[in-house]
Amino acid sequence: TQLLEQSPQFLSIQEGENLTVYCNSSSVFSSLQWYRQEPGEGPVLLVTVVTGGEVKKLKRLTFQFGDARKDSSLHITAAQPGDTGLYLCADLNTGTASKLTFGTGTRLQVTL
Amino acid sequence: ETGVTQSPTHLIKTRGQQVTLRCSSQSGHNTVSWYQQALGQGPQFIFQYYREEENGRGNFPPRFSGLQFPNYSSELNVNALELDDSALYLCASSYERGLQETQYFGPGTRLLVL
Repeated sequence: TQLLEQSPQFLSIQEGENLTVYCNSSSVFSSLQWYRQEPGEGPVLLVTVVTGGEVKKLKRLTFQFGDARKDSSLHITAAQPGDTGLYLCADLNTGTASKLTFGTGTRLQVTL
Repeated sequence: ETGVTQSPTHLIKTRGQQVTLRCSSQSGHNTVSWYQQALGQGPQFIFQYYREEENGRGNFPPRFSGLQFPNYSSELNVNALELDDSALYLCASSYERGLQETQYFGPGTRLLVL
């Protein structure tokens, strides 16, 4: 059974600070996805990465995929209160069913 | 706004009862998945339906069952509720399958079992 560990579990920072959260898998990712979940909402897809070593940017968010496809990081530059939420990494396995296996999550709080 | 809706938003049941949760997907989304998210955890895959047939199941007992209808709505049924079933239940729908697939999640139904 694949295990996805995320660190840190909790992060509280002030507006304008930079941060990095990490995701490590016990096995190679099929397709790595990052989600953000806000209170009272379902997870929303931020990015999908498939190729080892891939780097994707989404405004102030930078996603890196490890060369061995077993780890990933999400870096946020100049955090804003709107970045507050639960950040989840997930492996999308497209076998008979397209199944998402989620990590434990990093809860981010950005204050003014 | 993902175009996926769920009802009810909150529900309180007692142990041993049965519950039905509902999901309405975007038109054209033939795949619907259900996930259970316990407090402080990431979502866990329950099962998936494709064109009204179950095509995959996670590590959940048979008392968790589902239905998918031709009008892009679906149901999750849980029998003989246990205290540990208290969680946020999410449905997610998708149009295309593959490594670049996007699953669109609803806001969830929060179930409390007393």
